[in-house]
Order: sequence, then C-alpha cells, then structure tokens
Amino acid sequence: SQQGEEDPQALSIQEGENATMNCSYKTSINNLQWYRQNSGRGLVHLILIRSNEREKHSGRLRVTLDTSKKSSSLLITASRAADTASYFCATDGVNNNDMRFGAGTRLTVKP
Amino acid sequence: DTGVSQDPRHKITKRGQNVTFRCDPISEHNRLYWYRQTLGQGPEFLTYFQNEAQLEKSRLLSDRFSAERPKGSFSTLEIQRTEQGDSAMYLCASSLAGGNTIYFGEGSWLTVV
Repeated sequence: SQQGEEDPQALSIQEGENATMNCSYKTSINNLQWYRQNSGRGLVHLILIRSNEREKHSGRLRVTLDTSKKSSSLLITASRAADTASYFCATDGVNNNDMRFGAGTRLTVKP
Repeated sequence: DTGVSQDPRHKITKRGQNVTFRCDPISEHNRLYWYRQTLGQGPEFLTYFQNEAQLEKSRLLSDRFSAERPKGSFSTLEIQRTEQGDSAMYLCASSLAGGNTIYFGEGSWLTVV
C-alpha cells in the first residue's frame, strides 16, 4: 500500500520561481527520500533525510522533515524549465525495509 | 557499471504469453527491489531480496508473478499468462541494507495486447 502522499498533485510555475511540494505519511519512519522522474524514465534519487534530521540541503534543493506532523517538504529554488518532472517522496516504516511511494507531484516550469 | 541495469527496456506481448525481465543491481548492493508503476501513479512495491533471500512480497504479486535472485546478484521477474492489466513499467532498484539510498533502473515497459 502507498505510504507517502504528495501535495499538490500538480504544480505549474514560471522559471525562476520557487516550487514547494509536500509529503505526508502515516507510520513512523527511519528515513524519507525524495525522487524525481522525467516522463517515461526511471526515478532519480534527490535527497535522503533521516528521522533524526530536520533539514537538509543539496544545491537548489531544501528538504525539511517534521516527524511530529509526519510530513516533509521539498523546496526547489530558482526553478528551471529542466526541473519539469514528477517528484515523489518515499518512506520506509520502522518495521519495513522497502520504500513506499505516493502518487507524486507533477511540476511544470514554464520558460 | 555504475547503475542499475534492466532488460529489456520495452516488451510488447500477446495476452496469455509469459514474459521475463532481468535486473542487474549495483554490484556491491545486497538489497534488490521490484516495483510496478502505471501512468500517473507512483511506484508500487512488489517484492524485495536481501542477497538471495526473498524477504517480502506484496499482495500485488499474484501467483502469476515470480521473482528470483538465485546467486544474490541479478534478479528476474517473470509474469506468466499475461493479462492486459499487467501493462505497466516494472522498475528494479537496489541498495545496501540498513536504511540507505535506493537507486532505480530505467525500468522495463510492458505492453500486453
């Protein structure tokens, strides 16, 4: 069954703007990972944040994790047309060893 | 070899035929996962291996589906008596055990006609 749920389902912004995507999950986790997927391609790993971490940065990406609210956010700053893709969060459960995905946020960045 | 490799990338088959997909994980990774993804949806977990042991299977994995990882390296996913509802992308991924990053292959597209 799905674990993470992304919000919004779709997001359309202009190049240069920031994009924020949210993820909520249901059970306790060890870590949460964000992935990107271009249409028809495999998933590319973006960032992993562990349950004892609250924020991580990687280039133009900023991820936060609030375990009390069971939620995470992915911020992409200064977006580019090449950032157009679907973005997924994936969580493991404390007792699960596999990753469970939500339905994703489809981001469109207009040039 | 720097990534997860899947073969074939695309497969078109007639309903009722059997198909097999192969996955070669990143060489030092002891965990291997299979997921299925349909259009507009996120990947759905099917099964995973730690070394050669299949440790978990989803209820999505009906008895027409079987996965193996005989020597703890590459894995195969076989679908017997394919149905149109099996049309999807089948994704393989691998990782080191212990809550580490999971890396995905490019997927194998299956179309059942």
